[in-house]
Amino acid sequence: GAVVSQHPSRVICKSGTSVKIECRSLDFQATTMFWYRQFPKQSLMLMATSNEGSKATYEQGVEKDKFLINHASLTLSTLTVTSAHPEDSSFYICSAKDRVGGYTFGSGTRLTVV
Amino acid sequence: KNQVEQSPQSLIILEGKNCTLQCNYTVSPFSNLRWYKQDTGRGPVSLTIMTFSENTKSNGRYTATLDADTKQSSLHITASQLSDSASYICVVSLQTGGGNKLTFGTGTQLKVEL
Repeated sequence: GAVVSQHPSRVICKSGTSVKIECRSLDFQATTMFWYRQFPKQSLMLMATSNEGSKATYEQGVEKDKFLINHASLTLSTLTVTSAHPEDSSFYICSAKDRVGGYTFGSGTRLTVV
Repeated sequence: KNQVEQSPQSLIILEGKNCTLQCNYTVSPFSNLRWYKQDTGRGPVSLTIMTFSENTKSNGRYTATLDADTKQSSLHITASQLSDSASYICVVSLQTGGGNKLTFGTGTQLKVEL
């Protein structure tokens, strides 16, 4: 089946630094990738949708300059949290849509900003 | 407003017992409904997916049902195991002009005990 690899699984960074999270589709080409944020005991919240070769579409309330998304190829999307602050600490999950419309999720990244 | 509500919010059962989780949705127009299992600190893993015309779908010990008329779905887990302890998320796909958009339920936290 379709596999999405997400790295790193957890990262701790200092306030003010930037962190990059990678999401790769390993055995299929992902036309569209999604980035979610999840707080403890809450549902996944869609942050942005990225299509290969075009700009990402951000959900209302998500700062595009703070959460930079790049989807330069059909197998790789990256989310960069710029100038991270403690309130950005969260669980970030990517999802990829394959060519037949299925959705596969990455294993998530636990970001802690200290 | 498109919503997906799940019940119960949390559930504790003994190993070997069966349980049923509920999902009610108001999403329209409906495309499909998926059940995911999310272990703590991990990304969601797909269990079942059902379209409008499907009433039931099984995946091992997991059986999902769908009543598109009443907009209700259930996930039945048979002969529960300790490894079934996780959050179970109902996700309804909304048909939009730009493709499908996912609406996530808040999940049911299941704990299986000895």
